Amino acid sequence: GAGVSQTPSNKVTEKGKYVELRCDPISGHTALYWYRQSLGQGPEFLIYFQGTGAADDSGLPNDRFFAVRPEGSVSTLKIQRTERGDSAVYLCASSLIPSSNNEQFFGPGTRLTVL
Amino acid sequence: GENVEQHPSTLSVQEGDSAVIKCTYSDSASNYFPWYKQELGKGPQLIIDIRSNVGEKKDQRIAVTLNKTAKHFSLHITETQPEDSAVYFCAASQRSGAGSYQLTFGKGTKLSVIP
Repeated sequence: GAGVSQTPSNKVTEKGKYVELRCDPISGHTALYWYRQSLGQGPEFLIYFQGTGAADDSGLPNDRFFAVRPEGSVSTLKIQRTERGDSAVYLCASSLIPSSNNEQFFGPGTRLTVL
Repeated sequence: GENVEQHPSTLSVQEGDSAVIKCTYSDSASNYFPWYKQELGKGPQLIIDIRSNVGEKKDQRIAVTLNKTAKHFSLHITETQPEDSAVYFCAASQRSGAGSYQLTFGKGTKLSVIP
């Protein structure tokens, strides 16, 4: 079956612009996570959705970052007034149910470059 | 919060030799420890995981060990092949106060298998 998909694969924008990154999780997966991976680092947690609600947004770096999942499937990560420090690969992961024993499946990521 | 340390950051082995990557974690409440393989331009892919009630797990050429007392876990790859070359990440997970099971990753080990 289809895995987690993310679009676009690459996004180049200018400082100060607004961007949206999309994640399509595996069908039927209720838990959805966003992570950010800087060059040479491991992924870092940003936000978690259980169904439609953002159950844990403790990893969002500041209020320029926001994410939604209005119908409990597709999620969009939104970044306002982008800064050069926002350049990274943004990864989305989904799991069937939220539990510590449940594998998180990652998408290929969106590489964001802020000029 | 949880902190995961991973060593070494780079590892070169001859084809056919074994590779060992070690990780330590700080929070004794962590109870799920996955290992991911990430190839260039792709998202992390789970290769093996271990839960806190198990000390060792093996899957063909890959094995993972967990020492809960010492809070460390290791990945062992035997009979390495060139296609094993990639960046490997360890991670730890526990249920957060907000109900999510986000992963805390190490910084990664770049494994190079020399033919």
